[in-house]
Amino acid sequence: NAGVTQTPKFQVLKTGQSMTLQCAQDMNHEYMSWYRQDPGMGLRLIHYSVGAGITDQGEVPNGYNVSRSTTEDFPLRLLSAAPSQTSVYFCASSYVGQGSEQYFGPGTRLTVT
Amino acid sequence: KNQVEQSPQSLIILEGKNCTLQCNYTVSPFSNLRWYKQDTGRGPVSLTIMTFSENTKSNGRYTATLDADTKQSSLHITASQLSDSASYICVVSPYGNNRLAFGKGNQVVVIP
Repeated sequence: NAGVTQTPKFQVLKTGQSMTLQCAQDMNHEYMSWYRQDPGMGLRLIHYSVGAGITDQGEVPNGYNVSRSTTEDFPLRLLSAAPSQTSVYFCASSYVGQGSEQYFGPGTRLTVT
Repeated sequence: KNQVEQSPQSLIILEGKNCTLQCNYTVSPFSNLRWYKQDTGRGPVSLTIMTFSENTKSNGRYTATLDADTKQSSLHITASQLSDSASYICVVSPYGNNRLAFGKGNQVVVIP
C-alpha cells in the first residue's frame, strides 16, 4: 500500500513552459485535492475532485488545470509557468465523509525562473 | 483574514520538556478540527481529528483539546523528543464541505 505518491519530487521550469505534476493513490479514495504551500502561509487549495469525471476549483485555481479520468490519478497541469507558481505542491486524498482523514503525498518542489 | 490563527509562530524547547501550541479559529459552523505534523520536506501527517462535540483526543504523547464555545484548540506535547521537531498545523473543516481551512503552523524545535 503506497498511499499517495507524487512525481517528480523536484522540478525547475522556465517562465512560459508547461508541465504536469503527477499524483496517484491506491486507497480507493473518492476525494483528491491539490494544495500549494508557500513560506509564511497555510496550505491553499488549488483544485479538488470528489470522483472520477468530477473536478472543481479551490481557492487559487488560476494557471492550473486538472482532470480525473480514474479514481487513482489526479494530475495537475501548469499551462504556462510563472515565477509566482514557485511553491511546494501537495496532493491529498480521503474518503468523501466529513470526518475522513486526509492523506498527503510527499510533495513536489517547483521553481519557476 | 485567515480563519485559523496559530501561536506561537515558533518555539524552541529542551528535550524532555512539555509544550502547548494554540489554535484560534473563526470557521463556523464547523465539522471537525484536526492537528497535523509536518516534518521538513515532507507532507503533513494527521495527529488527531476531533468533532465539535469532543473536548480532548490523544495520540501517544500528543493531546489535543477543543473548546467549541471559545473557538480554541490546543495541542500539548508531553516529554518532547528530538523527533518532535516539526511544524504543527491546525486545520478546521467547515460543516457541509471538504474545503479545509489551514493555519500557518507552529514551528517547534526540540534541542538536546
